[in-house]
Amino acid sequence: SQELEQSPQSLIVQEGKNLTINCTSSKTLYGLYWYKQKYGEGLIFLMMLQKGGEEKSHEKITAKLDEKKQQSSLHITASQPSHAGIYLCGADSTGTASKLTFGTGTRLQVTL
Amino acid sequence: GAVVSQHPSWVICKSGTSVKIECRSLDFQATTMFWYRQFPKQSLMLMATSNEGSKATYEQGVEKDKFLINHASLTLSTLTVTSAHPEDSSFYICSAIRDIQETQYFGPGTRLLV
Repeated sequence: SQELEQSPQSLIVQEGKNLTINCTSSKTLYGLYWYKQKYGEGLIFLMMLQKGGEEKSHEKITAKLDEKKQQSSLHITASQPSHAGIYLCGADSTGTASKLTFGTGTRLQVTL
Repeated sequence: GAVVSQHPSWVICKSGTSVKIECRSLDFQATTMFWYRQFPKQSLMLMATSNEGSKATYEQGVEKDKFLINHASLTLSTLTVTSAHPEDSSFYICSAIRDIQETQYFGPGTRLLV
């Protein structure tokens, strides 16, 4: 079975600072999905990466999938309190998004 | 677009009773819906995959007789926790996909306390 490891497990950054969250897979990824979850709520889709070397950006969040398609990083530039939450990566091992395995999550706090 | 709702958002029930949770895709037809469970400070664990008009596929270790899933239409799936016990207390989240190449869209979750 596919395993996803996220690092760090938790992160506290000062507002305005940059940060990076990593997601490493034990197997080659067909697709890698990044979600954000606020405590006690559902998941908000951020980005999907499918091609090795692919990079996508939305507002101040950039996600990359490495060439070997076994690691992804999520980078937030100039963090804001609204970025606080739990970031989860999800791995697609079938090529159809029909069965996602999730990482353990990274809890982000942004201090003023 | 791609909004998924869940009802109720939270429920408290007595041990031994059954609880039904609804998952609806509001603005699209979902070919497949998924049910996850999340314990505090842990990630999501897939419980079952549900396709409209067919029996759900349960993950290993998930009791199909305890967690009944019905997917009667392309916009509605229900999860019934039968004879709920305190260990069933958790956060239950559903998701749906409208196209096999797209991501899963998640509902807001249902918190169950037994």
